[in-house]
Amino acid sequence: DTGVSQDPRHKITKRGQNVTFRCDPISEHNRLYWYRQTLGQGPEFLTYFQNEAQLEKSRLLSDRFSAERPKGSFSTLEIQRTEQGDSAMYLCASSLGLAGESYEQYFGPGTRLTVT
Amino acid sequence: AQTVTQSQPEMSVQEAETVTLSCTYDTSESDYYLFWYKQPPSRQMILVIRQEAYKQQNATENRFSVNFQKAAKSFSLKISDSQLGDAAMYFCAYRRMAGAQKLVFGQGTRLTINP
Repeated sequence: DTGVSQDPRHKITKRGQNVTFRCDPISEHNRLYWYRQTLGQGPEFLTYFQNEAQLEKSRLLSDRFSAERPKGSFSTLEIQRTEQGDSAMYLCASSLGLAGESYEQYFGPGTRLTVT
Repeated sequence: AQTVTQSQPEMSVQEAETVTLSCTYDTSESDYYLFWYKQPPSRQMILVIRQEAYKQQNATENRFSVNFQKAAKSFSLKISDSQLGDAAMYFCAYRRMAGAQKLVFGQGTRLTINP
């Protein structure tokens, strides 16, 4: 068990470019979450998958953001036409989820995005 | 909507002393979880302690304990015998027990340990 991994760890991009981040959850975890954390703030929820199904999306997730989790394994988060306000740390977390029970969310190291 | 408030942006404590971090929350739910997460500088977030709202007994994990006051919607974290490795951002978080799985975080408290 190597924990939740995220790639890349840092990304610098110019405004208007598209970026894609990858998250690899802990292998047996069926739930995967994306959060965004701006400097000095707590993480804010973006979206959540159970297996390959995207079950919840925050209103923060504008139409420039899209997330996928094909085959219920790794997930990608794409931001199109980036804006300076998208600069943040993007955190991925995973957990085991069984009917009637919920378990701890394990966080990855995050991808720090800087839009210039 | 649920909200979590941490009113102490920064706290400091002498090594080996005890410190308490405050958290209040607002919800209309009766069943939920509360958490304290630790985020060390440039390192990933880890769970410190968890409390189920239906449990009256306060959770403890070694040097970490909570004071859960359900009626007051208060959830404080006490760190005993503070160590240099406890220096980090601490986030209080809420999650509904059923339905939505998202964590709702407070703004965080930066804890400094003075040697």
